[in-house]
Amino acid sequence: ELKVEQNPLFLSMQEGKNYTIYCNYSTTSDRLYWYRQDPGKSLESLFVLLSNGAVKQEGRLMASLDTKARLSTLHITAAVHDLSATYFCAVDIASGTYKYIFGTGTRLKVLA
Amino acid sequence: NAGVTQTPKFQVLKTGQSMTLQCAQDMNHNSMYWYRQDPGMGLRLIYYSASEGTTDKGEVPNGYNVSRLNKREFSLRLESAAPSQTSVYFCASTRTLYNEQFFGPGTRLTVL
Repeated sequence: ELKVEQNPLFLSMQEGKNYTIYCNYSTTSDRLYWYRQDPGKSLESLFVLLSNGAVKQEGRLMASLDTKARLSTLHITAAVHDLSATYFCAVDIASGTYKYIFGTGTRLKVLA
Repeated sequence: NAGVTQTPKFQVLKTGQSMTLQCAQDMNHNSMYWYRQDPGMGLRLIYYSASEGTTDKGEVPNGYNVSRLNKREFSLRLESAAPSQTSVYFCASTRTLYNEQFFGPGTRLTVL
């Protein structure tokens, strides 16, 4: 069964702290996507990781991809309240298809 | 440039009623998708259309039908709504394979 698992599912952290969200997937894929969703809102693309070893950074967020380990990480540096949201990772199932499988999401709450 | 638009935003149906959710994108994207989002389950793919004129089943197609009316529009139809179809429905599009998806604002559907 194809699975995309994120952990933790819930994360409450203090402002200024660092933390990492993990995304493990069971299928062969060289491409992984991170999205952000604010409560009651739609999903917004954060990062597209298209190859093994890819690393992308935007502000306090940095994402990386290890296709051999089938693992992606989303690292948060010096968290601020505005980063409070739910973060999803997604993989496309196999080359030549257009199917994406999403993780269950990590709900992040940054406490002031 | 409106991006991906969905109508309606909210809908309440009685069991057995039918309805069509509309989705349109103005980004000249080739691929379009319908997802449902349920608490604790992330997003699950219902149907997708890799290009105009083609549609394929996703993870949870039962109880739904789709139509790719043209390159811009992709509709989702519930022929006989059931309480299990209570969910938030998102439409998304991508320019090509291996691109991030752009999501619409969602339709919150309740089936009584």
